[in-house]
Amino acid sequence: NAGVMQNPRHLVRRRGQEARLRCSPMKGHSHVYWYRQLPEEGLKFMVYLQKENIIDESGMPKERFSAEFPKEGPSILRIQQVVRGDSAAYFCASSARGDQETQYFGPGTRLLVL
Amino acid sequence: AQSVTQPDIHITVSEGASLELRCNYSYGATPYLFWYVQSPGQGLQLLLKYFSGDTLVQGIKGFEAEFKRSQSSFNLRKPSVHWSDAAEYFCAVGAGTNAGKSTFGDGTTLTVKP
Repeated sequence: NAGVMQNPRHLVRRRGQEARLRCSPMKGHSHVYWYRQLPEEGLKFMVYLQKENIIDESGMPKERFSAEFPKEGPSILRIQQVVRGDSAAYFCASSARGDQETQYFGPGTRLLVL
Repeated sequence: AQSVTQPDIHITVSEGASLELRCNYSYGATPYLFWYVQSPGQGLQLLLKYFSGDTLVQGIKGFEAEFKRSQSSFNLRKPSVHWSDAAEYFCAVGAGTNAGKSTFGDGTTLTVKP
C-alpha cells in the first residue's frame, strides 16, 4: 500500500521561473494538505483541498501561489515567478474522509531558487 | 487561534536514558494532538495521536504521550532512548472540527550520545 507520493523530490529553479510540485495521496484518501517548512522552522499550513474543491487556503500567500486537486490525477502546488524566499521544503499530506485529523505525510519536495 | 509551543529547541540524552519532550498548546475546545518524527531529509512520520478517552496514549517505536488538560500539555516520553531515535520531533494540534488543518510547533531536535 503506497504512501503519499511527491515529485520531484528536489527542484531547482531560477528566479522568475515557475515551480510545479505534485502530490499523489494515499489510496482511498480524498483530502490533501500542503505545508511549507522553512529552514530551522516547523511546518506552516498552506492549503487544504478535496477533489475539485479548495476548502481552506488561509495559509497561502496572496500572490504567485495556487493549488488544485483535480478529479483525476495528483494535486498540484504551483508557484509562479519564484523568488529566493520561496526556497523551502514543501510537504503534502493526505487523510481519509471521516478521519481528516489523521494526516499522512509525503517525503516532501525541496525547492531551491537560485 | 490554535498554537503550539515546544520550549526545548535542542535536547541531548545518552543512549539508554529516559526522554521527555515538552509540548504546550493553546486551543479553545478539546484538541486533537499529535506527535511526529522527522529524520533529516525525510517527511514526517506519525508517532501517536490523542483525540479523546485515556489521556495516556501509546505510539510506535516505544513512545507514549500524556494529555494533561489542566496544564495544556501533551509531553512525549520514552523510557530508554536508542541511537536511532535521533531526529526532529514535532508536536501538532488539529482543529478538531474535521477541518483537518494542523498547527505545528517549531520542533525539538534530539541528539543521542553513545
